[in-house]
Amino acid sequence: GNSVTQMEGPVTLSEEAFLTINCTYTATGYPSLFWYVQYPGEGLQLLLKATKADDKGSNKGFEATYRKETTSFHLEKGSVQVSDSAVYFCALHSGSARQLTFGSGTQLTVLP
Amino acid sequence: NAGVTQTPKFQVLKTGQSMTLQCAQDMNHNSMYWYRQDPGMGLRLIYYSASEGTTDKGEVPNGYNVSRLNKREFSLRLESAAPSQTSVYFCASSEDGGAGDTQYFGPGTRLTVL
Repeated sequence: GNSVTQMEGPVTLSEEAFLTINCTYTATGYPSLFWYVQYPGEGLQLLLKATKADDKGSNKGFEATYRKETTSFHLEKGSVQVSDSAVYFCALHSGSARQLTFGSGTQLTVLP
Repeated sequence: NAGVTQTPKFQVLKTGQSMTLQCAQDMNHNSMYWYRQDPGMGLRLIYYSASEGTTDKGEVPNGYNVSRLNKREFSLRLESAAPSQTSVYFCASSEDGGAGDTQYFGPGTRLTVL
């Protein structure tokens, strides 16, 4: 079946530090890959996505590249801000399963 | 444009009580979903509705029932609540449920079962 393995947290960084959150997946077929973000007390919202191999998703300074050869979709940001403090979820969607499969989430705290 | 709305925001139940969580979306989406979020486990799908008039089980359906009332509304019912159902519940919707489809989430309902 489908599964997503995400870097465990929590992760604490200083403002302007470089961020990487690792995500690897197992899936049948050719899944679409997503990063969702959950700010405190809110629901999840889409951060970025990629629907085929070698695609790069980007938004708000965050980037992730769909690497089929390593089954990975690592999230990166060059310079984090305090406002980036949130929980980040990697997820995949396989059309045959018609549902999102989520990783366990990574709590990021950015200190001023 | 409110997106996905959920009621109530918080609820405390005693073991054995029943309740219905309500969800509505105003984006004219065909597909709707109910997830539960537990610490360290990400989100797990309870039920989904690919289109009006259809519902299917997800990963953790036991103890729950759903109703797709119309295209806008998708409710989740706990007939006899158990402490194991203490969780945060999220409703989501998407245009057609396809592989690249973005799901839009409501703000969640925090449920405690004593």
